[in-house]
Amino acid sequence: GEDVEQSLFLSVREGDSSVINCTYTDSSSTYLYWYKQEPGAGLQLLTYIFSNMDMKQDQRLTVLLNKKDKHLSLRIADTQTGDSAIYFCAGSFDSNYQLIWGAGTKLIIKP
Amino acid sequence: ETGVTQSPTHLIKTRGQQVTLRCSSQSGHNTVSWYQQALGQGPQFIFQYYREEENGRGNFPPRFSGLQFPNYSSELNVNALELDDSALYLCASSSNSGEETQYFGPGTRLLVL
Repeated sequence: GEDVEQSLFLSVREGDSSVINCTYTDSSSTYLYWYKQEPGAGLQLLTYIFSNMDMKQDQRLTVLLNKKDKHLSLRIADTQTGDSAIYFCAGSFDSNYQLIWGAGTKLIIKP
Repeated sequence: ETGVTQSPTHLIKTRGQQVTLRCSSQSGHNTVSWYQQALGQGPQFIFQYYREEENGRGNFPPRFSGLQFPNYSSELNVNALELDDSALYLCASSSNSGEETQYFGPGTRLLVL
C-alpha cells in the first residue's frame, strides 16, 4: 500500500529557514498537503500542491515537489517560536480522497 | 463561515463500553472523513461519508461505524471499546467538488480504561 515517510525531528535556530522533508511511495497522488499540529490541538492546513506542479509559495512557506524522486519538502523562512509544532505530510492517492499521512516531524526552535 | 466542530472534546470510557462522537462539517461541505490519531503517530483513515453514504473505509473493524445526516453532520460510533482505542479522533470535512482539501476539527480525545 501507499506509504509516506518523514524524519521525526528537526531543530533550527530562530530566524533560520526550516526544511521539512517527506517521501512517498505511490506515484498516483493527486494532491499533497502540509498540516501543522500544535500540542493538544487539531490539524491546521498550511498549504497544498497539486501533483502537476513543482513549486508553490505562500508567504513564508515554500513547497517543492520532485515527482521523479517522490519527494516533497516544506521550507519555512525566518522560523519563529510560534512555528514550533508537529508538521505532517499527507497525500491523496486514490479516488476516495482518503489521506495517507506521515508520522509527523517535530520542529524544535532554538533561541 | 463556520469551521468544523466536534463534541465532546474529551471523554473517558471503560473497556467494553460504547461511544458516540459527533462532528459538524464546515458550511458548504458535503463530505466528512474520520481519522484516528494515536499518541505520537500520524492520523489513520477510518472512513469517509459523502451524501449520507459510506464512500471508503480504512483498515478498521466493523465495531467502528458511522452515520452522516442530511445536514452533512456526522457521527462515529465505536462498540466494545478496547484499550487501544484510546486516541484523538479527528473529523475533517471537504466539498468533494474536485478540490479535495480537508479541513479538520479540533478532535475528541478518548481515553479507554
